[in-house]
This record gives sequence, C-alpha cells and structure tokens, in this order.
Amino acid sequence: RKEVEQDPGPFNVPEGATVAFNCTYSNSASQSFFWYRQDCRKEPKLLMSVYSSGNEDGRFTAQLNRASQYISLLIRDSKLSDSATYLCVVKGGGSSNTGKLIFGQGTTLQVKP
Amino acid sequence: GAGVSQSPSNKVTEKGKDVELRCDPISGHTALYWYRQSLGQGLEFLIYFQGNSAPDKSGLPSDRFSAERTGGSVSTLTIQRTQQEDSAVYLCASSSYTGTPGSEFFGPGTRLTVL
Repeated sequence: RKEVEQDPGPFNVPEGATVAFNCTYSNSASQSFFWYRQDCRKEPKLLMSVYSSGNEDGRFTAQLNRASQYISLLIRDSKLSDSATYLCVVKGGGSSNTGKLIFGQGTTLQVKP
Repeated sequence: GAGVSQSPSNKVTEKGKDVELRCDPISGHTALYWYRQSLGQGLEFLIYFQGNSAPDKSGLPSDRFSAERTGGSVSTLTIQRTQQEDSAVYLCASSSYTGTPGSEFFGPGTRLTVL
C-alpha cells in the first residue's frame, strides 16, 4: 500500500465548476500536510498547508481529518489556469522519516472553457 | 532572491556511464532533499539531508545511487553504471526547517535520459 494515495483522475470540469480532490495517508504519526501544484514539465510548488481546523485561501479550501487519515482540497469557481496536477503531501511521522516529504501520485485537473 | 538551482538542466547519457547531478540550495537552508519523478508518476523520495545529522538514505533505489552534501550547502547526486530505468527528472528541494510547515522550495530539476 502506498503511504499517500490519490485518485489520479483526470478530472475534466467546465469553468466555474466546483471540484474536490481526496487523499488518504497510512502513517497515523504524520505531522504536517500540504497540497502542492505541479504544472506540466515544471517543478512542484506549494499551494497550501492543511490544518485540522480546515483552512481557506481564496477559492481553495483544505481539510484534514486525522481520525480517518484523510485530506481534501476543494476548488470553487474553477478557472482555466487551475489546470494542473495537484499533489497531496505528508511530512514527518516517526524517527525513520521525520522531515521527509511523502508525495501522492497526484490528481490531474483539466478545466475546460 | 535566488531560488534552488540545479545543473545540468538536461543530461543524456549512455547505459553504463556514471552521471553527477548538482543542486545549489537556497542560502541558509539547512535541509536538502532529492526526489525523482518518472514520466506520469508522482515524486519518489531518494535522500534527505538535515544540518549535520546523518542523512536519511532510505529512498535510494540501489547502491548505484549516492549523494553528498559538502559544507552543508551544495549537494551532488551520483548515479553509477546508469540503466535505462534511471531515466527521470531528478528534483532537489531545500528548506529552512525553522519549523514552518511547507517551507520547502523545489529546483527546476535535471531531466536525465539514459539511452
């Protein structure tokens, strides 16, 4: 079983749609959680951190459920420029991998006009 | 300011040759990571350096892979006797590790092609 699992998609949605991505992680001791965005042939860039209380950044809302080991990302009012791969990332979780980032496979989003 | 830089940006080599990939982290960043990404795949952790601590090498796929970090700054990833399955984009990231989540910054990567 992969440490971080995501539905690879692709998710094809029209402009203006609301889309949600989910992610599960296997290490219950994981400490920090993030969503990264990666454009085609580019390096990943931090989109937002994810907190247990939930957090919002403009059209983006992230949620963390530690009990279920589940992370989500909601994008409202999708724009063409949101088309990218969204990577779920988990950090920390014991002496063997503290500080190490574990990436999910990524979920591809294609927003259509 | 300067971000993470990597060189070369592209490397084509023949099977069996050795290659060295370089990463220059952001000045002052104590943590440095190497990942690789094969076509259409997620990022695969290779190795992690944090300050003067022993590196976490748990992701290195074989003993053909090694990495050094000199003076707590520049890092070199070496792949000996390259194989075709080593073809991937090799990404380096650095972090200030001040405890601020999400403080990692990635370089543009080195695209390695083994013929």
